[in-house]
Amino acid sequence: GEDVEQSLFLSVREGDSSVINCTYTDSSSTYLYWYKQEPGAGLQLLTYIFSNMDMKQDQRLTVLLNKKDKHLSLRIADTQTGDSAIYFCAEESGGSYIPTFGRGTSLIVHP
Amino acid sequence: IAGITQAPTSQILAAGRRMTLRCTQDMRHNAMYWYRQDLGLGLRLIHYSNTAGTTGKGEVPDGYSVSRANTDDFPLTLASAVPSQTSVYFCASSDTGGVSPLHFGNGTRLTVT
Repeated sequence: GEDVEQSLFLSVREGDSSVINCTYTDSSSTYLYWYKQEPGAGLQLLTYIFSNMDMKQDQRLTVLLNKKDKHLSLRIADTQTGDSAIYFCAEESGGSYIPTFGRGTSLIVHP
Repeated sequence: IAGITQAPTSQILAAGRRMTLRCTQDMRHNAMYWYRQDLGLGLRLIHYSNTAGTTGKGEVPDGYSVSRANTDDFPLTLASAVPSQTSVYFCASSDTGGVSPLHFGNGTRLTVT
């Protein structure tokens, strides 16, 4: 079946850039999503990218997609302590509305 | 404010007891989902529903049942709770056309003793 892999932890210094990586196996992925989960809350959509795009930028967030390598990344510029959270990568195939989630990457931002 | 409401927020339950977790959405989304979140395991899909009147099994359905009598409500029932069902449970909903990200509730923290 489909699989989505993420590293479990990332630690960065405040003001630096964070890059969270994700790999997936389903070659028919249509949409790829990044969600953010703050402590004690549910997941919230951060951004998404269509599979026919290479890059999407939204303020401090940059999503890069390498479809050939099935690799997705989320770059957060000028990382702030408020960015500390768990970030989930998810992919959705055209034939199903049910996304497959990675296990989440805990981003820790320290002063 | 539009969104997903889950109840209760938290619950401590004795093993063997029956429990229903409630979930209501007001966005008129077709699809609804139940996930459990456990440390190190990420989110695992329990059951889902593509539209009112239909349900399907996810990755970890054993010990859980769902119903979808109408568009807005999607309750999750544990018929006879066991300690391994201690988890945080998230309900979510989405459209089923085009870009359809999930909208999540704030979760129910369930402890089975």
